[in-house]
Amino acid sequence: GQQVMQIPQYQHVQEGEDFTTYCNSSTTLSNIQWYKQRPGGHPVFLIQLVKSGEVKKQKRLTFQFGEAKKNSSLHITATQTTDVGTYFCAGAGTASKLTFGTGTRLQVTL
Amino acid sequence: EAQVTQNPRYLITVTGKKLTVTCSQNMNHEYMSWYRQDPGLGLRQIYYSMNVEVTDKGDVPEGYKVSRKEKRNFPLILESPSPNQTSLYFCASSPTRGRNEQYFGPGTRLTVT
Repeated sequence: GQQVMQIPQYQHVQEGEDFTTYCNSSTTLSNIQWYKQRPGGHPVFLIQLVKSGEVKKQKRLTFQFGEAKKNSSLHITATQTTDVGTYFCAGAGTASKLTFGTGTRLQVTL
Repeated sequence: EAQVTQNPRYLITVTGKKLTVTCSQNMNHEYMSWYRQDPGLGLRQIYYSMNVEVTDKGDVPEGYKVSRKEKRNFPLILESPSPNQTSLYFCASSPTRGRNEQYFGPGTRLTVT
């Protein structure tokens, strides 16, 4: 079945440093979504990418979808303590289900 | 306010004692789903439902049952819980199919001793 791998599992940065998490699917995806889960909270939708090579920005966050539609990345510029949490990618295949990656936990210290 | 609610939020139970976790959404969404979250494993789908009376297995359905008698409700049933079902459970809903934005409930932390 479809597998979605995410790296790294954990990253600790100092405030102001950049952060990137990568997502790779074993199969071609129809779209990819990104979610953020704050400590003790539930996953919250950030964005959806649909087109091959698509790049979207939300303030300091940049999302990319690979040309082959099998990988994606999330880049945060100049992290802040409010960025702390776990970031999940979720890939949609042909069936009516979303496969979540294992998540990247981001810790930001002053 | 548009939301997905789950009850209970926390539950400690013993092996073999049947339990139900309720999930309800007020957004008229067709698609609903249950996930479990375990450290290092991310979110794994247990069951999903594309509409009333239509349910299907996700990636880890063993030991769980669901039903979808009404559009807004999607309860998760553990007929004979075991310690390996200790986990954080999330219900989610989506407007259409499972390939669109998912709205998650607040989660239910279940401990089976």
